[in-house]
Amino acid sequence: QKEVEQNSGPLSVPEGAIASLNCTYSDQGSQSFFWYRQYSGKSPELIMFIYSNGDKEDGRFTAQLNKASQYVSLLIRDSQPSDSATYLCAVNKWGGANNLFFGTGTRLTVIP
Amino acid sequence: DVKVTQSSRYLVKRTGEKVFLECVQDMDHENMFWYRQDPGLGLRLIYFSYDVKMKEKGDIPEGYSVSREKKERFSLILESASTNQTSMYLCASSGQKSSYNSPLHFGNGTRLTVT
Repeated sequence: QKEVEQNSGPLSVPEGAIASLNCTYSDQGSQSFFWYRQYSGKSPELIMFIYSNGDKEDGRFTAQLNKASQYVSLLIRDSQPSDSATYLCAVNKWGGANNLFFGTGTRLTVIP
Repeated sequence: DVKVTQSSRYLVKRTGEKVFLECVQDMDHENMFWYRQDPGLGLRLIYFSYDVKMKEKGDIPEGYSVSREKKERFSLILESASTNQTSMYLCASSGQKSSYNSPLHFGNGTRLTVT
């Protein structure tokens, strides 16, 4: 079983819709969770992180964490074509900076 | 803003060559990392360092070594490049060794092709 799993997609949504990206993780002791966006040919950039159960909002982005079910999701409201990218979920297992595990990413396409 | 700079954007090397990939960060971060990224495999950790002259193996250290002589600089060395080391190499840094919500800041990446 992989440490972090994501649906590779591609996920296609129309412009203005809500895009929902999901991620599950295997270790119940995981402590913090990150979402990165990666445009084609570019390096990942941090969108947001979450470490408490519930929702965390930042502009059009909402991260949702459910530790009991071991999943974390990212919602993108009012999706724009510029949101088209691969979204990487990363999970920190033991609280140290060197214990970060990445999923393989979900490719999102926002259709104008 | 944190800046992580990788010395080369594209590199083409021959099989058997010794290859150096350089990375410099300007935010006095303690932790530095080298990843490689391949389609379908995602990001895989090669080596990381949480202090000067300290290094730890990641998930795929074979065929690689690293050097951290100064806090701001972390070098990845391919002792004898092979074609299966053709990949995108990403350097990253983060600020606090013990902080569980310290995010990674990535460089622009080096696309290495070994022929």
